[in-house]
Amino acid sequence: GEDVEQSLFLSVREGDSSVINCTYTDSSSTYLYWYKQEPGAGLQLLTYIFSNMDMKQDQRLTVLLNKKDKHLSLRIADTQTGDSAIYFCAERENDYKLSFGAGTTVTVRA
Amino acid sequence: EAQVTQNPRYLITVTGKKLTVTCSQNMNHEYMSWYRQDPGLGLRQIYYSMNVEVTDKGDVPEGYKVSRKEKRNFPLILESPSPNQTSLYFCASSGGGEGTEAFFGQGTRLTVV
Repeated sequence: GEDVEQSLFLSVREGDSSVINCTYTDSSSTYLYWYKQEPGAGLQLLTYIFSNMDMKQDQRLTVLLNKKDKHLSLRIADTQTGDSAIYFCAERENDYKLSFGAGTTVTVRA
Repeated sequence: EAQVTQNPRYLITVTGKKLTVTCSQNMNHEYMSWYRQDPGLGLRQIYYSMNVEVTDKGDVPEGYKVSRKEKRNFPLILESPSPNQTSLYFCASSGGGEGTEAFFGQGTRLTVV
């Protein structure tokens, strides 16, 4: 499968911005995704970006895509305690497979 | 409500005792997959199905079987579970096509002792 890499841990103070970074290897990927997993819960699709876009904003979430460097980032503005979760970056390989990174555990401290 | 339903949510079993984790989707999706999630490794695909009676291996298929007799159901079978299959399992379905979202079940936490 394709390699998707992301850092494992991020600690951020409540009210600050969080930035989660991800690198991927498949230059032909058409869609890249961010999923959120809260403790004991399944995967929730947060947002996705099409490969011909550089940026996508959705309320507190901003996704930046640098296709040349195969780098994807997710910025969460005004981070809240409810944002504490594991965040997965994923690239779409085809209709039936996503390749996931290892997940970044975000801890929001007061 | 569009959803993927897995059962059971939690399961503790002993080595060698056959088990089945069920997965059902109500969106008439062609594509269904099973993933396992392990710390530091993310989600890895076990098996996938492109339609009824069409299944194929993913990245980590050893020790697992699947079947797709009906479009809505895609059970995961462990014929002889071993402790290294202790993991969190997710079923997913999608309709295919550009930009379509993959829907995930709530997960099944399996412990094999």
